[in-house]
Amino acid sequence: AQSVTQLDSQVPVFEEAPVELRCNYSSSVSVYLFWYVQYPNQGLQLLLKYLSGSTLVKGINGFEAEFNKSQTSFHLRKPSVHISDTAEYFCAVSGPNDYKLSFGAGTTVTVRA
Amino acid sequence: DVKVTQSSRYLVKRTGEKVFLECVQDMDHENMFWYRQDPGLGLRLIYFSYDVKMKEKGDIPEGYSVSREKKERFSLILESASTNQTSMYLCASSPSAGANYGYTFGSGTRLTVV
Repeated sequence: AQSVTQLDSQVPVFEEAPVELRCNYSSSVSVYLFWYVQYPNQGLQLLLKYLSGSTLVKGINGFEAEFNKSQTSFHLRKPSVHISDTAEYFCAVSGPNDYKLSFGAGTTVTVRA
Repeated sequence: DVKVTQSSRYLVKRTGEKVFLECVQDMDHENMFWYRQDPGLGLRLIYFSYDVKMKEKGDIPEGYSVSREKKERFSLILESASTNQTSMYLCASSPSAGANYGYTFGSGTRLTVV
């Protein structure tokens, strides 16, 4: 079975500063990795996913993530955040042929002016 | 625009009541899921369905059941609601090819059991 650990529960950051959200996974097989965002009072929205190929994945709203197999990590980054990036971010994992995703506990990002 | 619609945004129910949470998707997806979301715990899978009338238990099925009579509708049932079932409930769907296509989520139902 696969699982993910999000290493930070809360990340405060100033507007226009960079942000990195850390995610580590555990699995004995190859994995697919995802980042989702949940804005206040909304459902989850897919930011980006890694299935195979290039280890640097670009997503929506200027986010990107890097898959690192040796460190079993999939960290999410944005070089310059906006107030509108205030949200909760979830890392998720599935194995090949899995129907279901396993989610981390979430990281709350609060962007301040 | 594709959608997953959850019938109620907020619900307040009494302990011991039978509660139905409804979810409808218009994408012709085979797979549908029910998660609950709690602070510090992330999303935990309650049940999922990979076809009409087919269901499988997730990680925390105790106290819940599900029904999928039509492809587009997936219902979560709390047989006898308890206060520890106060939570945000999220429905999602995906195509049959698997989780690698990603999920489409509904906006959630915040259930309070008093």
